[in-house]
Amino acid sequence: IAGITQAPTSQILAAGRRMTLRCTQDMRHNAMYWYRQDLGLGLRLIHYSNTAGTTGKGEVPDGYSVSRANTDDFPLTLASAVPSQTSVYFCASSSLLRGGTGELFFGEGSRLTVL
Amino acid sequence: QKEVEQDPGPLSVPEGAIVSLNCTYSNSAFQYFMWYRQYSRKGPELLMYTYSSGNKEDGRFTAQVDKSSKYISLFIRDSQPSDSATYLCAIEGAGSYQLTFGKGTKLSVIP
Repeated sequence: IAGITQAPTSQILAAGRRMTLRCTQDMRHNAMYWYRQDLGLGLRLIHYSNTAGTTGKGEVPDGYSVSRANTDDFPLTLASAVPSQTSVYFCASSSLLRGGTGELFFGEGSRLTVL
Repeated sequence: QKEVEQDPGPLSVPEGAIVSLNCTYSNSAFQYFMWYRQYSRKGPELLMYTYSSGNKEDGRFTAQVDKSSKYISLFIRDSQPSDSATYLCAIEGAGSYQLTFGKGTKLSVIP
């Protein structure tokens, strides 16, 4: 059972370059999320999608964009990377319950370093 | 004031000890309370999920919610080295569909 697959697992990127982090799920969950995790700051929501075709902004959306063309894929794009975007990025999915998010299933993370 | 406060630790205990991990929150609208466990260089995974005040037990783990004090706890009995991980509380308001995570507490259980 794959669950959530993220790629790449790690990447070093020059500032100003464009980068897309890929996320695919095989659980047919309707909701998907992108978080970044930084030491001392915890997990912070970047963008989310409650269903295919819709997206929303989380706590720290600036500098990032997402799309949700289908149920399974939710790529995160950094249009012009900056060093402050150095972080570990986690994709997650959930089958939304009535009134709540339900259990989040996370990928293994993508470690991004912007120089 | 942050919506969810969690002491980052680190917390180091001997094997067999009882561990208490805690979070406080400020928004009384929060209704769903979760604990996630994250091993080093891995994604978080759900450990406990509750939506009411009181205790919920699962093996060596007990989640406790006190809505009147806006305080949640996770107790680990007979702690094992395999419990060494970062524990994150996560809280959600009804209908918000967005979790707010604590910063996580790093726990080390020493054999």
